[in-house]
Amino acid sequence: GAGVSQSPSNKVTEKGKDVELRCDPISGHTALYWYRQRLGQGLEFLIYFQGNSAPDKSGLPSDRFSAERTGESVSTLTIQRTQQEDSAVYLCASSPTRGGNIQYFGAGTRLSVL
Amino acid sequence: QKEVEQDPGPLSVPEGAIVSLNCTYSNSAFQYFMWYRQYSRKGPELLMYTYSSGNKEDGRFTAQVDKSSKYISLFIRDSQPSDSATYLCAMTTYNTDKLIFGTGTRLQVFP
Repeated sequence: GAGVSQSPSNKVTEKGKDVELRCDPISGHTALYWYRQRLGQGLEFLIYFQGNSAPDKSGLPSDRFSAERTGESVSTLTIQRTQQEDSAVYLCASSPTRGGNIQYFGAGTRLSVL
Repeated sequence: QKEVEQDPGPLSVPEGAIVSLNCTYSNSAFQYFMWYRQYSRKGPELLMYTYSSGNKEDGRFTAQVDKSSKYISLFIRDSQPSDSATYLCAMTTYNTDKLIFGTGTRLQVFP
């Protein structure tokens, strides 16, 4: 595939429901990142994967947020018991290696919690 | 205090103008500096990537890093309406893997 692919592009859910957001990184990229972008704000780091391990989960805002990655492929970000403040664009990026390398972003999933 | 500060704008300029976008930062360990362009409802797209201090030019775009002042800039020459977007600065250290972003500056170039 050409770039980072995210699905769904838009998700509307009711408060209290669980949601799953999916990211397909660029083929061969070992590093994968999740960021959150609230309206009018910069990107906020959530979690980083190297392969299928997550050395840095420091940005996950609460235990309602979790993520996993299968090998060096697809990652899923799960938000349980969604709250209105979870409404944001969730962006995924991938990079060929770690450590200061260029990150390539997907178009994001726009999550609206009603 | 945020690690990276960026004026949110909006900045409105006529076509052909020179645009200057800036960020300041507080962490002296930052070594890699990037500028991303983000069109509405799209993901950020890398424009410029600079390691340490100095200048880098690519077409109409010039990135400058002044580590002594903890200040980075992006200059756009001969600005075009297609340059209208939000410009995000981002930076990181070698030993960490997360990018720290500014809030973004919204740029509008009118014909």
